[in-house]
Amino acid sequence: QSALTQPPSASGSPGQSITISCTGTSSDVGGYNSVSWYQQHPGKAPKLMIYEVTQRPSGVPDRFSGSKSGDTASLTVSGLQAEDEADYYCSSYTDSNNFYVFGTGTQVTVL
Amino acid sequence: EVQLVESGGGSVRPGGSLRLSCAASGFTFSNYEMNWVRQAPGKGLEWVSYIGRSDKDIHYADSVKGRFIISRDNAKNSLYLQMNSLRVEDTALYYCARERLPCSGDCLDYWGQGTLVTVSS
Repeated sequence: QSALTQPPSASGSPGQSITISCTGTSSDVGGYNSVSWYQQHPGKAPKLMIYEVTQRPSGVPDRFSGSKSGDTASLTVSGLQAEDEADYYCSSYTDSNNFYVFGTGTQVTVL
Repeated sequence: EVQLVESGGGSVRPGGSLRLSCAASGFTFSNYEMNWVRQAPGKGLEWVSYIGRSDKDIHYADSVKGRFIISRDNAKNSLYLQMNSLRVEDTALYYCARERLPCSGDCLDYWGQGTLVTVSS
């Protein structure tokens, strides 16, 4: 089972919006509404930002939103802020040999 | 306050063994599914293993299957990872993480700070 595919980097100016893609297959992203997104600042543990494709845990700003189309899930960050600069990872349940699979990760830079 | 505290990491030779522990507090541990996730230095996240609320439902990544064993002791509010036949490529920071309830998928809502495992000759 290969990792889900994410772009290595994304960037935007404060106030702008960015969208990060996460591409899998029908065995994972495309087959189940079980996509999560995590934010990780340097030296810190990951933080859950989105689960079940579109759901936000309490405390996560509504600037963060998730969606899915076919085998590709997306995380959109609207009104980009300096504190959004971090690494972002998607994940999904998979019915292949593994159980869960993470994405390759995207480094977000706020210009 | 939910807390997950990992311990047991360290340096070991290839072929050696380590047992990681994760002490949980601030929630009813027996009600939650748990996972181990690792991150090699400078690399991305890799899911390692999952255990259901009892030890009846267990899953492993292909990369550790047959070498690692996940377990839990609900009476001690603790999660474990027995790591055998360690390889250089197992070098990573190992996180224990709780699955949110209810959840479809991983939904890892609380993470520990990790324990570092270094495998080197």
